[in-house]
Amino acid sequence: AQSVAQPEDQVNVAEGNPLTVKCTYSVSGNPYLFWYVQYPNRGLQFLLKYITGDNLVKGSYGFEAEFNKSQTSFHLKKPSALVSDSALYFCAVRDGNRDDKIIFGKGTRLHILP
Amino acid sequence: DTEVTQTPKHLVMGMTNKKSLKCEQHMGHRAMYWYKQKAKKPPELMFVYSYEKLSINESVPSRFSPECPNSSLLNLHLHALQPEDSALYLCASNLDGMKPDTQYFGPGTRLTVL
Repeated sequence: AQSVAQPEDQVNVAEGNPLTVKCTYSVSGNPYLFWYVQYPNRGLQFLLKYITGDNLVKGSYGFEAEFNKSQTSFHLKKPSALVSDSALYFCAVRDGNRDDKIIFGKGTRLHILP
Repeated sequence: DTEVTQTPKHLVMGMTNKKSLKCEQHMGHRAMYWYKQKAKKPPELMFVYSYEKLSINESVPSRFSPECPNSSLLNLHLHALQPEDSALYLCASNLDGMKPDTQYFGPGTRLTVL
């Protein structure tokens, strides 16, 4: 069965420090991976995706993610955190049986401390 | 333009009311989705329309009735809802539901059932 895990409910980072939000996955077939961000009372905004190609994927707002096949991970990173990065982050993976369906992780709340 | 619009932004309804949520996109996307999201939880897939045909119904109660009048519009008709149906309802679209690709989300409709 396809699944995605975000092991941390909340991550606290001081402004200016690097941040990492963790995601691991379990899929049959090729993994197609996504990161979304959600600000309070808003819809989800797409940050980046891995379909194929380079393992380091660059996305919106200075975020990047590294696809690691051996560790089945797709951690989200940013070199220098901003207070405005505080939000709820979701990792998602295509359902291996359905191209029109993605499975979301439970979400990680990122709190950037000023 | 990667915009999905949803109306209304907020909706309060009684358990005997009939109401509808509307979603619109003009990106030429051929797959459209309804999700339900409870506070601090990931979105839960409800329905998928692919090329204007219902392709996924995630065992949603019949008090929720989706409709796709054309490739740009998606409605969700609500009738005899329960208080536990109160949630943020998100619409999303992607280019082609037959291939894995980015889903773009609308801002959501905050539904309260009294």
